[in-house]
Amino acid sequence: DSGVTQTPKHLITATGQRVTLRCSPRSGDLSVYWYQQSLDQGLQFLIHYYNGEERAKGNILERFSAQQFPDLHSELNLSSLELGDSALYFCASSVYSGVSTDTQYFGPGTRLTVL
Amino acid sequence: SQELEQSPQSLIVQEGKNLTINCTSSKTLYGLYWYKQKYGEGLIFLMMLQKGGEEKSHEKITAKLDEKKQQSSLHITASQPSHAGIYLCGADIKRPGSEKLVFGKGTKLTVNP
Repeated sequence: DSGVTQTPKHLITATGQRVTLRCSPRSGDLSVYWYQQSLDQGLQFLIHYYNGEERAKGNILERFSAQQFPDLHSELNLSSLELGDSALYFCASSVYSGVSTDTQYFGPGTRLTVL
Repeated sequence: SQELEQSPQSLIVQEGKNLTINCTSSKTLYGLYWYKQKYGEGLIFLMMLQKGGEEKSHEKITAKLDEKKQQSSLHITASQPSHAGIYLCGADIKRPGSEKLVFGKGTKLTVNP
């Protein structure tokens, strides 16, 4: 158990819908990173927040947005969902502020299925 | 095209055998990470390499970074069924004004008892 929690574990929705994925970092970690893993694209870095501020953006679509709240939990919002958005979404947390960190602790992921 | 290429895509070995997984970058590497993933689960960080020629070991897993070749190799000695999983390499590929974290597509390792 990494100490990072993600909810929900599974999500099934329809095209065009909007969903919110939630991540709670390990106690004491200020950084939250979001990743998308699909069979086609593999693992892709989406976005990084540190202590409430956006620090780095990766391959995040404009239909996706994220934020980190004062209690340091983070939410990833996916809207106008398409079939291709079906994937495993991971969040990771770290004590460090950089994108490249020595140790990121990954959550178990949210499996999103868009029908 | 993929910025990080991993080879092989999959590997089946007999318990006790040694094996090597390679990760090659098309861009200059500023940091190289190795992760292990059990199917459908989160990633477990194994090690990070930053300097050319750097070599790190964790239990029976050793990783090396060849900066000139822009390549890293992960070597498992005397493989065990517990080594089975998907091994992913990730790299920090910096561009002016931004950092980018990219990943290989993974190598699926099966270790037969």
